[in-house]
Order: sequence, then structure tokens, then C-alpha cells
Amino acid sequence: EAGVVQSPRYKIIEKKQPVAFWCNPISGHNTLYWYLQNLGQGPELLIRYENEEAVDDSQLPKDRFSAERLKGVDSTLKIQPAELGDSAVYLCASSLDPNGSQYFGPGTRLLVL
Amino acid sequence: RKEVEQDPGPFNVPEGATVAFNCTYSNSASQSFFWYRQDCRKEPKLLMSVYSSGNEDGRFTAQLNRASQYISLLIRDSKLSDSATYLCVLSVGGTSYGKLTFGQGTILTVHP
Repeated sequence: EAGVVQSPRYKIIEKKQPVAFWCNPISGHNTLYWYLQNLGQGPELLIRYENEEAVDDSQLPKDRFSAERLKGVDSTLKIQPAELGDSAVYLCASSLDPNGSQYFGPGTRLLVL
Repeated sequence: RKEVEQDPGPFNVPEGATVAFNCTYSNSASQSFFWYRQDCRKEPKLLMSVYSSGNEDGRFTAQLNRASQYISLLIRDSKLSDSATYLCVLSVGGTSYGKLTFGQGTILTVHP
């Protein structure tokens, strides 16, 4: 069974540029999460989806970050414009439901110059 | 105060050693507890859930003390392959159901 797929795996951009990350969850998983992980820290939740509905986006910096999961499957996370402090690993995870174990994708490593 | 606090280490132990990690949490409403493992430049993976009565999975034993609000992970007979970062994780429940809160992780290096 395929795991959570993310792309790109690495991204280098200049500050003020836009960037987008894509996630394909495990088939049948209704709950999807985006996390941010800084070096030496644990992941921090940015947003959680139940199907296509964002049920918890309280930690998402909405001035520059946006996310969507239009058909309740794939999801994209966008940053516009990117800042130097956005350099981090962006992890996507999915679970069957909110009670289920979360499975993480390999992440996208973002470097903002 | 951080919601989940761990000693970042690093812990350097020889093969065969027994090593223990502790983790404290501040939210008494926390309902579910886990240990995740994260290899260098890889994604976190669930190692084991932590139950109130304590639980064991092979060489790994997890304990939960709700009164003192701490969780522990004991690794016996350490292997080289146990080298990783161990993340203490909890879920509060309620409207935050499904939201995992991670500690910063404890780095373990097992050497020959």
C-alpha cells in the first residue's frame, strides 16, 4: 500500500516568492494534516482537514499561508510571499479518521534565501 | 511553559545498554499519548501508544503517570538501529480531537 506522497521533496526559493506543496494521502484516509517542523523541534500542526473541510486552522498564519483540499483527497499548501523564517520541513499526514493513527509523508524541505 | 517537554539529549549509549527517556506535559486534559520515532531527515513514525496501565512492545516499555503528568520510554538491549530522535506526543481531545502535540524530541545514539 502506498504511503503519503508529497512533492516536491526539496524547494529553494528567494524570499517574497510564492511556493506550493502538494500532498496525496493514503487511499481512504479522510483526515489530512499539514505540519511544520523546524530544525531541532517537533512538528507543529498548521491545519487539519476532515474530507474537504478545514476543521482546525487556528495555527495557520493566514496572512501568507493558504491551503485547500477541494475534492477531499489531495491537498495543497501555499505560501505567498515566502519569508526567510519559513525555511523548514513541511509534513503532510493522514489518518482514517480523527481517532486513527497518523501516517506522515516524507515532507518537503523548504529553503528560503 | 511548553505543552510537552523532553530532555533533548543527546543520549549516547553502547549497544546492549538500557536507556530511558522522560517527558512531561502541562495540559491535564490530555487524553492520548504516544511515542514516535524519527530517523535523520525522515518523517516521524508511530513507535507505540502509551496506556495508563503501561505497555510493552518487545524491547520497548512505555509508562504513563497521569498524577505527575509524565510519560516514559524504556529501551532495553539497545541496538545500533535504535539510533534516532524519539518524540513524545499527546492528543488533548475535545475540539482538538486528532490534533497531536509533539515534544522537541530526544536524540539517541547507540554506538558499538
